[in-house]
Amino acid sequence: QQPVQSPQAVILREGEDAVINCSSSKALYSVHWYRQKHGEAPVFLMILLKGGEQKGHEKISASFNEKKQQSSLYLTASQLSYSGTYFCGTEIRVFGNEKLTFGTGTRLTIIP
Amino acid sequence: DAGVTQSPTHLIKTRGQQVTLRCSPKSGHDTVSWYQQALGQGPQFIFQYYEEEERQRGNFPDRFSGHQFPNYSSELNVNALLLGDSALYLCASSWGVGSYEQYFGPGTRLTVT
Repeated sequence: QQPVQSPQAVILREGEDAVINCSSSKALYSVHWYRQKHGEAPVFLMILLKGGEQKGHEKISASFNEKKQQSSLYLTASQLSYSGTYFCGTEIRVFGNEKLTFGTGTRLTIIP
Repeated sequence: DAGVTQSPTHLIKTRGQQVTLRCSPKSGHDTVSWYQQALGQGPQFIFQYYEEEERQRGNFPDRFSGHQFPNYSSELNVNALLLGDSALYLCASSWGVGSYEQYFGPGTRLTVT
């Protein structure tokens, strides 16, 4: 089942912070985050495994709440280069069924 | 270090025809996954190949088939094309199966008329 992302779209001024959420109705093994710019391929940002760990990548970090089956992506002090559509991909670890199921995406627009 | 490459970049086909898309994985990667991305949607998993075998499959009809070669490159074949098959087809490679980061290729834009 496809994870639900919120918000669907957000517009920020450069320097502002954003939070993108990803929720699943199923027990998750991992959550993957990707960013896709218009006309380009999705680019890997980070993976979070169950256990509630939080990861960071420069000014982009994420958390995974295993109990709620939710993950959040945090973008702090946003830059123009952060614009794009963010997708979460969720994985349910059952042998032979380890595919990623992507959400519908969150379109982030950063304006000067 | 070459990334994931796909060919062709764009393709226009007529309903009922057949199409073959190609993918070369990133150097060192042995697993290839194929996705279909409709406009404004997230990528939808088609299938994954590992050790030249289809390891798992998404909710796509048998018209969609694939192959992986000994050099880990892969092909996606779609038979009896429908208008609804028009989409961006993405190939992603990774090392092994499971929770590993996937590197996506630029995609093949397929238009069915």
